[in-house]
Amino acid sequence: KQEVTQIPAALSVPEGENLVLNCSFTDSAIYNLQWFRQDPGKGLTSLLLIQSSQREQTSGRLNASLDKSSGRSTLYIAASQPGDSATYLCAVRPTGSEKLVFGKGTKLTVNP
Amino acid sequence: DAGVIQSPRHEVTEMGQEVTLRCKPISGHNSLFWYRQTMMRGLELLIYFNNNVPIDDSGMPEDRFSAKMPNASFSTLKIQPSEPRDSAVYFCASSFGQVYQPQHFGDGTRLSIL
Repeated sequence: KQEVTQIPAALSVPEGENLVLNCSFTDSAIYNLQWFRQDPGKGLTSLLLIQSSQREQTSGRLNASLDKSSGRSTLYIAASQPGDSATYLCAVRPTGSEKLVFGKGTKLTVNP
Repeated sequence: DAGVIQSPRHEVTEMGQEVTLRCKPISGHNSLFWYRQTMMRGLELLIYFNNNVPIDDSGMPEDRFSAKMPNASFSTLKIQPSEPRDSAVYFCASSFGQVYQPQHFGDGTRLSIL
């Protein structure tokens, strides 16, 4: 059974700092991995989608990497801003399934 | 383009009552997913549809839960009778159906059963 873990559960950093969020999964048989952002009281916004054949994806200040063989992904946020404060979730899509299996998220606070 | 639209945004009702949650997926998407989010268990998939047909309902917790998708632009999740432990945020998501496409989420329905 696929399990997704995100560490740490919460992270607080000063504005301007570069930071890394971690995601690990137990089964490397995946189609892809998706990083989401969730603001309080809101739904999930898709940030980056990495296919299993890819190593990384970039969007603006965000860079996500994928090491499928070791079951790990990282989300790198450059020059963090208070507006980046949110909960970040990663989810994997197991091979042979349309389901997403989610981690419980990392709650990020960027202090001005 | 309009995103995934869910209604109501908030629902408070007494236990034993029937609850119906509604979802309109993004036009052109042919896969629809219902998730439940709680503090303890995080986000869990309840059921998903492909081309209006339920494909996997193994996440539906009990027979009190049912979901329908009568057409490509509408789905419902029904709980009857509701119980306090059903209190959670329920999300609907849609995608183009190919496994390589991202899922797009609605803003959710926050359900409180008293």
